[in-house]
Amino acid sequence: RKEVEQDPGPFNVPEGATVAFNCTYSNSASQSFFWYRQDCRKEPKLLMSVYSSGNEDGRFTAQLNRASQYISLLIRDSKLSDSATYLCVVHGSSNTGKLIFGQGTTLQVKP
Amino acid sequence: DVKVTQSSRYLVKRTGEKVFLECVQDMDHENMFWYRQDPGLGLRLIYFSYDVKMKEKGDIPEGYSVSREKKERFSLILESASTNQTSMYLCATDGRPGGEQYFGPGTRLTVT
Repeated sequence: RKEVEQDPGPFNVPEGATVAFNCTYSNSASQSFFWYRQDCRKEPKLLMSVYSSGNEDGRFTAQLNRASQYISLLIRDSKLSDSATYLCVVHGSSNTGKLIFGQGTTLQVKP
Repeated sequence: DVKVTQSSRYLVKRTGEKVFLECVQDMDHENMFWYRQDPGLGLRLIYFSYDVKMKEKGDIPEGYSVSREKKERFSLILESASTNQTSMYLCATDGRPGGEQYFGPGTRLTVT
């Protein structure tokens, strides 16, 4: 079983749609969680951290369910510019800075 | 803003050549990382370093070595390049263990 699993997609949605991505992780002792965004042929960049209480940043909402070991990302009112790959990222329980990256979920927003 | 630079965006090398990929960060971060990214496999950690002259193996260190002589610079070395090392190589740094990682623009290496 992979340490971080995501549905690779692609998710093809029309502009204005709401889309949700889920991610599961295997290490119940994981402490930090993130969503990164990666545009084609570019480096990953932090989209948002994921907190236990859930957090929102504009059209983006992230949720963490520790009991079920999954993380979600909800994008409302999708824009063409949201087209990218979204990486679910988990930090382990050790003192190292090692992050575990999911393979990513590809989103294509169409006019 | 954190800036992470990598020595080349694109590189073409022949099988058996020694290859150096360099990464420089300007934030005085102690932690630096080298990943490779391949379709269907995601980002995989090759090596990381917590301080000058310190290094730790990641998940796929075979065929690679690293050097950290100065805090701001972390080099990845392919001692004898092989075609299966054709990939996108990404350097990253973070300010604290488990915190946000900042990536360089990547080096797309082709070994022929």
